[in-house]
Amino acid sequence: EIVLTQSPGTLSLSPGERATLSCRASQSVSSSYLAWYQQKPGQAPRLLIYGASSRATGIPDRFSGSGSGTDFTLTISRLEPEDFAVYYCQQYGSSPRWTFGQGTKVEIK
Amino acid sequence: QVQLQESGPGLVKPSQTLSLTCTVSGGSISSGGYYWSWIRQHPGKGLEWIGYIYYSGSTYYNPSLKSRVTISVDTSKNQFSLKLSSVTAADTAVYYCARVVGGYNENWGQGTLVTVSS
Repeated sequence: EIVLTQSPGTLSLSPGERATLSCRASQSVSSSYLAWYQQKPGQAPRLLIYGASSRATGIPDRFSGSGSGTDFTLTISRLEPEDFAVYYCQQYGSSPRWTFGQGTKVEIK
Repeated sequence: QVQLQESGPGLVKPSQTLSLTCTVSGGSISSGGYYWSWIRQHPGKGLEWIGYIYYSGSTYYNPSLKSRVTISVDTSKNQFSLKLSSVTAADTAVYYCARVVGGYNENWGQGTLVTVSS
């Protein structure tokens, strides 16, 4: 099973700042099959990024994903008030055992 | 736009079986090309994949839950279901159903809280 480790656990930033979230895999994720989700309190997760760098439908271009192999990054170029949430990465290259990271909380500083 | 809605009891007694149904609208489960999954989230914790099913009935279950999980599909009702047997307090969680595209969860239900308590 591929274990995903997200860092930092919590990121304290101000609106307008840049957020960089890391997701590291215990072994290489084939074909960059990595997704990112955003979850706000009391809501279901929302797909942001798939295939490591492709934005899902309706996702603003301030969200971008990058990386390959074992190291992946989600970048939010300029934080908007609605971006403060928990973010999860998920790998789906190791079929059928898809796994999630433990999450990074982006909070208002 | 496909929508998913979980339904089922919000309270289950220990040792009993948790049963949830996910109703899909705006798209057909039988159309193929998608998996249909169940994911849970313990209070204040991260996401845990329970398992998924294809419209044909083929399934995959998380090994940590495999002995207690059954996922089934009813294409005539455009629904798929989760059964988790012998529940304990550790199974208290919000349960989500989702449509899976190639491995990532593109669409999610709103989630339903299931509490295991006597």
